Amino acid sequence: DAMVIQNPRYQVTQFGKPVTLSCSQTLNHNVMYWYQQKSSQAPKLLFHYYDKDFNNEADTPDNFQSRRPNTSFCFLDIRSPGLGDAAMYLCATSSSVSSYNEQFFGPGTRLTVL
Amino acid sequence: AQKVTQAQTEISVVEKEDVTLDCVYETRDTTYYLFWYKQPPSGELVFLIRRNSFDEQNEISGRYSWNFQKSTSSFNFTITASQVVDSAVYFCALSEALSNTGKLIFGQGTTLQVKP
Repeated sequence: DAMVIQNPRYQVTQFGKPVTLSCSQTLNHNVMYWYQQKSSQAPKLLFHYYDKDFNNEADTPDNFQSRRPNTSFCFLDIRSPGLGDAAMYLCATSSSVSSYNEQFFGPGTRLTVL
Repeated sequence: AQKVTQAQTEISVVEKEDVTLDCVYETRDTTYYLFWYKQPPSGELVFLIRRNSFDEQNEISGRYSWNFQKSTSSFNFTITASQVVDSAVYFCALSEALSNTGKLIFGQGTTLQVKP
């Protein structure tokens, strides 16, 4: 089945220690999104890639970076995680940036910062 | 400014009851899309329905139905004869054509608990 895969499902890191979250997709979609969802809150878009073009949301902290080495993979790098970065990180894909298109979500990676 | 409000934080019903989840949105865009997603305990958001701003027809899919009213900026979701498997967090979301990013603006979510 075509899908969006996120690894690991659970990640524990220490305050200030860089961490990378991974997302891969078999849908061959052009667009990949990263959302942050804090406990009992709505998912909030951090950034997205349209093919190789990176698009950052205005209020995404510099601490968050992303890489997309190819169509299938996208990484979220948190350079110096703080306690406030503990959250579920959701990766999603879409065939285009049209507001019409539904997004397909992965199961998320739950990040704990000690 | 764009915003989605789901005023009901948690709803608890007994199996077979009908339940309606409310969603109110704000946007200045004339072309937009509204979505409902389900987030079961496993975590991934599952797409349920999409509605565009020019189509106010209500929709029914099995036990699910949606009522879109532009006059009140609402897009409510009703589950008929609820089942335990319907227990999840439900998110209403807005996507504006002008954003040209496909960005979803989510409401806070409504946690639905269906008890046997």
